[in-house]
Amino acid sequence: SQTIHQWPATLVQPVGSPLSLECTVEGTSNPNLYWYRQAAGRGLQLLFYSVGIGQISSEVPQNLSASRPQDRQFILSSKKLLLSDSGFYLCAWSGLGGGDSNTEAFFGQGTRLTVV
Amino acid sequence: DQQVKQNSPSLSVQEGRISILNCDYTNSMFDYFLWYKKYPAEGPTFLISISSIKDKNEDGRFTVFLNKSAKHLSLHIVPSQPGDSAVYFCAAMNTGFQKLVFGTGTRLLVSP
Repeated sequence: SQTIHQWPATLVQPVGSPLSLECTVEGTSNPNLYWYRQAAGRGLQLLFYSVGIGQISSEVPQNLSASRPQDRQFILSSKKLLLSDSGFYLCAWSGLGGGDSNTEAFFGQGTRLTVV
Repeated sequence: DQQVKQNSPSLSVQEGRISILNCDYTNSMFDYFLWYKKYPAEGPTFLISISSIKDKNEDGRFTVFLNKSAKHLSLHIVPSQPGDSAVYFCAAMNTGFQKLVFGTGTRLLVSP
């Protein structure tokens, strides 16, 4: 069965420090991978998505970047965190498909990032 | 540009009654739609989905309706239970691009 791991679960970082959040998927190959952020009082904002190794689409201009060094690994990074980067970050994966195919996305447990 | 919108931030329903959660989208290229349920500090969990070739999909107490001409979908929960209290997100995807976009969420409270 497929599983998704995201860590750490919580993180407190000072302003200006770097960030690295890691997400790995097991039990599937060539997944689509996503990073979302849920900020206080807001929905799930799509930050990045990737349909293959080295293929990253950025949805919003921001202080963050993403990389996919391996098929089932997705990393969210920042060189210098801002206060506004605080939020709940979620990694997700989905398989290919359409029509009646199962294209639901499966989420990790999330990382609560607090920038102080 | 919010391509998927849930205009009701919250909804309160009594146990046993119907809950109707609404979602509107603007991108006519979306061809697959999903509903997720989320508890605080957890990842969303999948509830039900519908392809653009259908107008209704039912799974137990959950039914999703799709009105393509109005670019509108809704989730019906019948009967509502207190355990259904959570934030519900609708999501949309163009399966050709595999980009999955979520709405802003609706907080459902089901009272006993």
